[in-house]
Amino acid sequence: DFVMTQSPDSLAVSLGERATINCKSSQSVLYSSNNKNYLAWYQQKPGQPPKLLIYWASTRESGVPDRFSGSGSGTDFTLTISSLQAEDVAVYFCQQYYTTPTFGQGTKLEI
Amino acid sequence: QVHLVQSGAEVKKPGTSVRVSCKGSGYTFTGYYIHWVRQAPGQGLEWMGWINPNTGGTKYGQKFQDRVTMTRDTSINTVYMELSRLMSDDTAVYYCAREAVPADTYYDPWGQGTLVVVSS
Repeated sequence: DFVMTQSPDSLAVSLGERATINCKSSQSVLYSSNNKNYLAWYQQKPGQPPKLLIYWASTRESGVPDRFSGSGSGTDFTLTISSLQAEDVAVYFCQQYYTTPTFGQGTKLEI
Repeated sequence: QVHLVQSGAEVKKPGTSVRVSCKGSGYTFTGYYIHWVRQAPGQGLEWMGWINPNTGGTKYGQKFQDRVTMTRDTSINTVYMELSRLMSDDTAVYYCAREAVPADTYYDPWGQGTLVVVSS
């Protein structure tokens, strides 16, 4: 199985500041035939299911604010929130779908 | 609008089985695989398997291979996940989730989740 490791486990950022969450895969999730990274990011608020934010490592889901961005390739990926808003407090998960889906352990983002 | 609505919370004894349902609406039910993912209290997300609502074909995660059964009833746009021989560490919220795009295994939307508590 592909092991996804996120860092840090928790993060406190001031309102309006940048938040950066990292995700590392034990194997590359870049598929050479189409040059796509099979990596998604989700946001989960308490008592709610995960919400899709980013797929193909950097494509923002429709309706997701543009302060959310994804980057990276191969084994190392980053989710960036450019200017933290109060409603962004949540746990964030990365997921690889190159093979049998696996998720990172989550990063708790606080103000 | 696309929705997945799951059945309500369950409390089960160890050794018994639980069946959770997931009803899709707002899209062509047979056009998208449904996956099941669980989340133990305060923990991360664990993939369990998928079902193809069109054919009934399934693929299960190795950890659940001998205990999980996924089925569907296309007449009511519903899939089911049954987990047998329950143990205390099966206590979790169980989510169904639809592939956002057919054949691409990232998920949107998710069901609201079903809490299953296994306790003697």
